[in-house]
Amino acid sequence: GNSVTQMEGPVTLSEEAFLTINCTYTATGYPSLFWYVQYPGEGLQLLLKATKADDKGSNKGFEATYRKETTSFHLEKGSVQVSDSAVYFCALSDQGSGYSTLTFGKGTMLLVSP
Amino acid sequence: DAGVIQSPRHEVTEMGQEVTLRCKPISGHDYLFWYRQTMMRGLELLIYFNNNVPIDDSGMPEDRFSAKMPNASFSTLKIQPSEPRDSAVYFCASSPYRTASYEQYFGPGTRLTVT
Repeated sequence: GNSVTQMEGPVTLSEEAFLTINCTYTATGYPSLFWYVQYPGEGLQLLLKATKADDKGSNKGFEATYRKETTSFHLEKGSVQVSDSAVYFCALSDQGSGYSTLTFGKGTMLLVSP
Repeated sequence: DAGVIQSPRHEVTEMGQEVTLRCKPISGHDYLFWYRQTMMRGLELLIYFNNNVPIDDSGMPEDRFSAKMPNASFSTLKIQPSEPRDSAVYFCASSPYRTASYEQYFGPGTRLTVT
C-alpha cells in the first residue's frame, strides 16, 4: 500500500537558518505529492504540490522537488522566519485505483526562534 | 468564501454521552472528508463522501462512530457512546476535484475532550 515517512521533529532553528524536512514515500502507481502546513490552532492548508517526476513545487519561499529515483519530496527553505513555526505534513495521492485519497505522513513540527 | 465551517470548536463531554460534530463544506465541492488527529496516531481518515454518498468508511474505528451527509452543504459525525480514548481534534475537509486526489480544504477542527 501507500505510505509516507517524514523525519521526526521537532526541528528547532534560528531565524534565517536553512530548512530541510525530509519526506520519502512508497506508492504502487504514479502519485502526486504535497506538503501541507498546520499553524497552531488551525486546520491544514496546502503549501505546495508536484504532480509528476522532476516537478518542483514552490510557495512562500518553500520548495520541494519530486524525485522518483529516490522516492523523495524533501521540503526546503533558504531562510526561515518565526512565522514559519508550524507542523508540516508530507502527503501523496495515488490515482491508479480510480478513487483516491491523500495519505499523510505523521507531521514534523518546526520551531523557529528569533 | 467562508471556507469549511465546523462546529463546535471545542466540546467537553462525559464518558457515555452522545457527541455530534458538524461540518459545512465549501459550496460546490463534491467531496467531504472526516479526519481525526491525535499525538499518538497522527492524522487518520475516518470516512469520505462523494456527492453526499459515503464512499469509504473503513477508517471509522468502531460502530460507536457514524457519519451522515443529508445534503451537499451539511455533514455530521456522531459518537455514541463517547469514551475517553475518543479525545482528539476532528477535522472536516472538502475538495472540488473529481478524483478526490487533489487539494483538500480543511476546517479549523473540533477539539473533543471526553472525561
